[in-house]
Amino acid sequence: NAGVTQTPKFQVLKTGQSMTLQCAQDMNHNSMYWYRQDPGMGLRLIYYSASEGTTDKGEVPNGYNVSRLNKREFSLRLESAAPSQTSVYFCASSEAVQAYGYTFGSGTRLTVV
Amino acid sequence: QKEVEQDPGPLSVPEGAIVSLNCTYSNSAFQYFMWYRQYSRKGPELLMYTYSSGNKEDGRFTAQVDKSSKYISLFIRDSQPSDSATYLCAMSAFGDNNNDMRFGAGTRLTVKP
Repeated sequence: NAGVTQTPKFQVLKTGQSMTLQCAQDMNHNSMYWYRQDPGMGLRLIYYSASEGTTDKGEVPNGYNVSRLNKREFSLRLESAAPSQTSVYFCASSEAVQAYGYTFGSGTRLTVV
Repeated sequence: QKEVEQDPGPLSVPEGAIVSLNCTYSNSAFQYFMWYRQYSRKGPELLMYTYSSGNKEDGRFTAQVDKSSKYISLFIRDSQPSDSATYLCAMSAFGDNNNDMRFGAGTRLTVKP
């Protein structure tokens, strides 16, 4: 029972570099999310996909892009990384946007130097 | 002012103590309230959820919502060292397919043997 799988677990980038964070879920969930977690700030929504084929901005979308590749996979791309994007990134999924329980992955710790 | 405020702690209690974790919020439209538990270097996992006002009990955990005061609580009875984690509150109005889920910043709890 893998749930939500995120790769990589750790990454160090130089300012200006690009990278893609991968996320896959095996629970047949319709909705998927990307959050960032910073000390004292809580989880903040970057982008979400209510269903396959749709994506919407969350609270903090600037500097990020997403792709809902299929029902299982939802990727997050940083085109030109900045030190302000140093954070822990979590992917989550749920049956629908209006669903109580989100299942989270174990996170990607990203440092931009 | 943040929509959801949560005392970050840290909170340290002896094993067997009753723990009270709290959140306040400003958006009166929130009707669905959740508590997540997050172990160190892991993703959050759903612990409990409640709808509107009232209490809900699950084993040693009790979730309480007071919508008139915009205040929610999680009580842990007979706390155990395995309860040591960060606890996040979350809430939503679950309106029309919008993602309005908001998370508190989390309270770090340590239960000492």
